[in-house]
Amino acid sequence: QAVLTQPSSLSASPGASASLTCTLRSGLNVGNYRIYWYQQKPGSPPQYLLRYSSDSDKQQGSGVPSRFSGSKDASANAGILLISGLQFEDEADYYCMIWHISGWVFGGGTKLTVL
Amino acid sequence: EVQLVESGGGLEQPGRSLRLSCTTSGFTLGDFALNWVRQAPGKGLEWVGLIRSKTYGGTTEYAASVKGRFSISRDDSKNIAYLEMNSLQTEDTAVYYCTRAYCPGDCNYPGNDWGQGTLVTVSS
Repeated sequence: QAVLTQPSSLSASPGASASLTCTLRSGLNVGNYRIYWYQQKPGSPPQYLLRYSSDSDKQQGSGVPSRFSGSKDASANAGILLISGLQFEDEADYYCMIWHISGWVFGGGTKLTVL
Repeated sequence: EVQLVESGGGLEQPGRSLRLSCTTSGFTLGDFALNWVRQAPGKGLEWVGLIRSKTYGGTTEYAASVKGRFSISRDDSKNIAYLEMNSLQTEDTAVYYCTRAYCPGDCNYPGNDWGQGTLVTVSS
């Protein structure tokens, strides 16, 4: 079982909100991790969006709009990236990441389509 | 302007070795940790390893998939980091990115400063 599981794809309409999930493997408690989120557009390297651990421990990446935000769903053992007011330019691949044991681990990524 | 430029990629046979370089400019490399991240064609991101700044020991960490085969080093005087890849396998085929940590010091996560990547193809 992968350490981090993300849905492979998600579609949403412009102006709507999209909630991207990052589920931790059974046995790992999302409450113990900082979740990092990255955006990657075709042909470009990833860009850091934000980090979320709790409302008192979070960080917005430099220049990242506030319509990108992080949260957790403890009942689902998942980190969440919420994108509000979707724009066509938000169409991209999104990856979550955690520090696990002695290294970084990425989720498999979610392809967000805005249509 | 912060820049990272990877070089050294190319076609190599299984079992052989390759060394990638990450040449940096626009910042003091010695102040930052560096990560290597790879992406197989059409696939997701895979973290390869990192090297901490010398202030924090210059120590390295590696993904299980490359541990014992890959080695990361740095020459802060030349503003270059290296990824030495030995015993290459076909599964190592990917674009390899070097990326600076988001912040200096004891801060290891990749930020917004990435190279454009260099393609490594392992095939007989």
